[in-house]
Amino acid sequence: AQSVTQPDIHITVSEGASLELRCNYSYGATPYLFWYVQSPGQGLQLLLKYFSGDTLVQGIKGFEAEFKRSQSSFNLRKPSVHWSDAAEYFCAVGGNTDKLIFGTGTRLQVFP
Amino acid sequence: ETGVTQTPRHLVMGMTNKKSLKCEQHLGHNAMYWYKQSAKKPLELMFVYNFKEQTENNSVPSRFSPECPNSSHLFLHLHTLQPEDSALYLCASSQVVIGSGTGELFFGEGSRLTVL
Repeated sequence: AQSVTQPDIHITVSEGASLELRCNYSYGATPYLFWYVQSPGQGLQLLLKYFSGDTLVQGIKGFEAEFKRSQSSFNLRKPSVHWSDAAEYFCAVGGNTDKLIFGTGTRLQVFP
Repeated sequence: ETGVTQTPRHLVMGMTNKKSLKCEQHLGHNAMYWYKQSAKKPLELMFVYNFKEQTENNSVPSRFSPECPNSSHLFLHLHTLQPEDSALYLCASSQVVIGSGTGELFFGEGSRLTVL
């Protein structure tokens, strides 16, 4: 079955610290992978996506993610977190159909 | 105009009311989606419209009735809802390429629904 697992429900980091949010997926074909961010009261905004090619993907706001097929993972990273990065982050997987499957999300809290 | 616009942003209704949520996309996309977002649960895909045709109904109760009159507009008609239907309802659109999948979803800001 197709699924996305985000094992960390809630992560707290200090401003300026590095960040890694984990995402594991199960998908029967070549996956398309996405990271979205949701600020309170807002919709979801795309941070980055992987379709093919270079497995290290750069996104907006200084985020990057690395696709590791052998580990079925697509972890999101940022070298130095800013207070404005506090939000909920969703990993999603899709393929050659017209729907995406989302994880349950990771809530990021940033302390000054 | 923003890419995907949802109205109303907030809606409170009783269980016997009938109301509708509206979504409009200004991106020229060919697919539109309704998602339900409840606390501590994954985003639940409710309906997919591809080229105005419904291609997905994810076992949604009949008290939710979607309508897609054209590729830019999507409605969710609500009637006799239950308190557990209280949630954030998100609309999204994308440009589906046959054989290449949904691509990127563009989301609206959501309609926060409270059922009393």
